[in-house]
Amino acid sequence: EPEVTQTPSHQVTQMGQEVILRCVPISNHLYFYWYRQILGQKVEFLVSFYNNEISEKSEIFDDQFSVERPDGSNFTLKIRSTKLEDSAMYFCASSEGWGTEAFFGQGTRLTVV
Amino acid sequence: GNSVTQMEGPVTLSEEAFLTINCTYTATGYPSLFWYVQYPGEGLQLLLKATKADDKGSNKGFEATYRKETTSFHLEKGSVQVSDSAVYFCALTLNTDKLIFGTGTRLQVFP
Repeated sequence: EPEVTQTPSHQVTQMGQEVILRCVPISNHLYFYWYRQILGQKVEFLVSFYNNEISEKSEIFDDQFSVERPDGSNFTLKIRSTKLEDSAMYFCASSEGWGTEAFFGQGTRLTVV
Repeated sequence: GNSVTQMEGPVTLSEEAFLTINCTYTATGYPSLFWYVQYPGEGLQLLLKATKADDKGSNKGFEATYRKETTSFHLEKGSVQVSDSAVYFCALTLNTDKLIFGTGTRLQVFP
């Protein structure tokens, strides 16, 4: 069964460092998303991506964040200069079409120290 | 703004017990409602959904009914199994493909 895969499963980084979280969406999907969940809080939408551009982003997704689909298979989230409050579980998701079921990866736990 | 509120967990039950996980929502229009489940070490999976008032979503013995009058979408199962132990997330979408989630409720089922 096709699935969304995320790497790494756990990333520890020092404050101020750049980090790239990687995702391989399901191959025929066209819409891609990043969500995050700070421990004990809600899962929050970060950004959606379609046709090689951002289609929607939340107020969390500031200039420190960027997304890219560099090679037609990977979908990455970059945080330029990490802060302690960026520590969270980051989920990637993809869907075949607008409003269709989103399939989620298992998440990357980011710990900023 | 639009939001989802879930009961806090963990919910601890014995096998074959009846399960209810409460979910209420606030929305400025008519949302679609979802329950997602996350088993240990896995991603979120869609469990069931309902797109309009009075719709009942069902899957794997779980059910939830879209109640507009009480703005609720409570998850129920008549007889839980140990394999149902997971985190359950209530969510909505409204005129967008962006999901708005609750905090999640951990269910622990003991034999």
